[in-house]
Amino acid sequence: GAGVSQTPSNKVTEKGKYVELRCDPISGHTALYWYRQSLGQGPEFLIYFQGTGAADDSGLPNDRFFAVRPEGSVSTLKIQRTERGDSAVYLCASSLTGTGARTEAFFGQGTRLTVV
Amino acid sequence: AQTVTQSQPEMSVQEAETVTLSCTYDTSESDYYLFWYKQPPSRQMILVIRQEAYKQQNATENRFSVNFQKAAKSFSLKISDSQLGDAAMYFCAFGSSNTGKLIFGQGTTLQVKP
Repeated sequence: GAGVSQTPSNKVTEKGKYVELRCDPISGHTALYWYRQSLGQGPEFLIYFQGTGAADDSGLPNDRFFAVRPEGSVSTLKIQRTERGDSAVYLCASSLTGTGARTEAFFGQGTRLTVV
Repeated sequence: AQTVTQSQPEMSVQEAETVTLSCTYDTSESDYYLFWYKQPPSRQMILVIRQEAYKQQNATENRFSVNFQKAAKSFSLKISDSQLGDAAMYFCAFGSSNTGKLIFGQGTTLQVKP
């Protein structure tokens, strides 16, 4: 596609429910990143994929958060037993390669998750 | 661990004037990249300018330029001839040469007054 696509754009869910957030990276980009941005803050790194494998998941806050990228393209961020503190904008980015920050990362418009 | 600090939560500039946004960072790495991103209300992060740490020359992109002081670990953004469309949240970010993950500052909200 022309850019990184994230769906849904907005998601409202009840506390305790399970949610899935989808990221469609730019075609051909092997590296994919998930970030979480709380209101009024900068994005915080969650997880980085190189191809199908998670190369760095050190930013996932706890075991309720999980992400997959089974075919090396689309990625899904999964949150179990959602809590009100999970409310944030979840941003996805992709880059052509994972060779460090020398390769520009392109961001999607994010999914705003609200847990009520 | 790397940290990025933006000490100006909000800045204001008159249209056509110049404004400078501040950023400091901390790292023990010698090879890294620094970025300024713009985030309008649409939420999409847009790369404004990037600086490679091993390059002494300050990066410029049209009306945007940086003042990179490696020893002081300072990386400020100067916006010249400010335009109404420049109004947004601006984030400074650090990127390691080893991993593509970015460390962001807290952001500065820029208001441009007509």
